[in-house]
Amino acid sequence: EAGVAQSPRYKIIEKRQSVAFWCNPISGHATLYWYQQILGQGPKLLIQFQNNGVVDDSQLPKDRFSAERLKGVDSTLKIQPAKLEDSAVYLCASTIPGGQETQYFGPGTRLLVL
Amino acid sequence: AQTVTQSQPEMSVQEAETVTLSCTYDTSENNYYLFWYKQPPSRQMILVIRQEAYKQQNATENRFSVNFQKAAKSFSLKISDSQLGDTAMYFCAFMKRNQGGKLIFGQGTELSVKP
Repeated sequence: EAGVAQSPRYKIIEKRQSVAFWCNPISGHATLYWYQQILGQGPKLLIQFQNNGVVDDSQLPKDRFSAERLKGVDSTLKIQPAKLEDSAVYLCASTIPGGQETQYFGPGTRLLVL
Repeated sequence: AQTVTQSQPEMSVQEAETVTLSCTYDTSENNYYLFWYKQPPSRQMILVIRQEAYKQQNATENRFSVNFQKAAKSFSLKISDSQLGDTAMYFCAFMKRNQGGKLIFGQGTELSVKP
């Protein structure tokens, strides 16, 4: 079974530029999460989708971050415009319906904002 | 709000020895899960072990076991017979049961296993 796929693996941008990350969850996983992991800290949930609907986006900085999950499968996370403090690893995770206690993580996208 | 605290930023252990990583948490909930995740330098977060709060028996997974003290809100991870491949960041995490699956992570403990 293929795992959670993320791309790109690394991205370097200048501040005020835009960037987008892509996540493809495990087939059949209805719930998808985006986490932000700043260096030296544990991951923090940004947004959670159930199919193509948003369940929790309380910690998403909505003035610059947006996310979508069209058709309830792949998801994209966008930052526009990026700030220096957005430098982090962005992790995507997914779970089966009713199985939220077992989250499968992707390899992450490492973003450096200069 | 729930919080998770890992007070040991770094630890080291000799190969084949035993090491214990500490975690405390704060919650008013009674129904929840606790987890230990491993994150090697490759960055892929891997679930090590899971404990359900309503279960009194401590979870075990091969060389990994936990000491769950619900009243003290403590959840430590013991790694027996440490191997070089255990070198990684270890995160303790909390999740309310039946609340959608939001994980709240601690700051992490960097474990180095030395040959």
